[in-house]
Amino acid sequence: DAGVTQSPTHLIKTRGQQVTLRCSPKSGHDTVSWYQQALGQGPQFIFQYYEEEERQRGNFPDRFSGHQFPNYSSELNVNALLLGDSALYLCASSWDRAREQYFGPGTRLTVT
Amino acid sequence: QKEVEQNSGPLSVPEGAIASLNCTYSDRVSQSFFWYRQYSGKSPELIMSIYSNGDKEDGRFTAQLNKASQYVSLLIRDSQPSDSATYLCAGLMDNNDMRFGAGTRLTVKP
Repeated sequence: DAGVTQSPTHLIKTRGQQVTLRCSPKSGHDTVSWYQQALGQGPQFIFQYYEEEERQRGNFPDRFSGHQFPNYSSELNVNALLLGDSALYLCASSWDRAREQYFGPGTRLTVT
Repeated sequence: QKEVEQNSGPLSVPEGAIASLNCTYSDRVSQSFFWYRQYSGKSPELIMSIYSNGDKEDGRFTAQLNKASQYVSLLIRDSQPSDSATYLCAGLMDNNDMRFGAGTRLTVKP
């Protein structure tokens, strides 16, 4: 039973560029949530996708957008990258919006 | 007040001791709570979930939820050096938005 997978593992971008991160949920899960984790802090909720729609959104600007596909996989897009966007981006999946979330290995994004 | 708050530690306990990790939450957090373990450089790993008042045990781990006092705790019995990690407390908001504490760093000394 495959767990949550994310790609790429690491990414280096320049300020102003755009990035797309990808996530495949755990088998049987239909809900995907994205988080940003800065060093020494807990994960910060970006948004959650369920039934291919953004259901909830945290306190992140519109530069952060996403998508969920019919197979429940998801993408996180960040436009006009800032140095402060450097962080570990985590994807988590669950079989219900209110149940336990299981995290993927994360994508380490460095913006220079 | 943050929705979920934890003592950042670090917390140090000797091998074999009981480690006690605590978390408080605000009124905006619903009744679902989760404890995650995160090793340095890795992603969070779910340890336990707790939905109702009282204790829930799973092996060496016991989660406790006290709704009246708005706190959640995690006890680790017979602590091992491999338990050394950051422990994240998380609570589900009424809109299913998950909020995390900043984490407590635990060190178990041999």
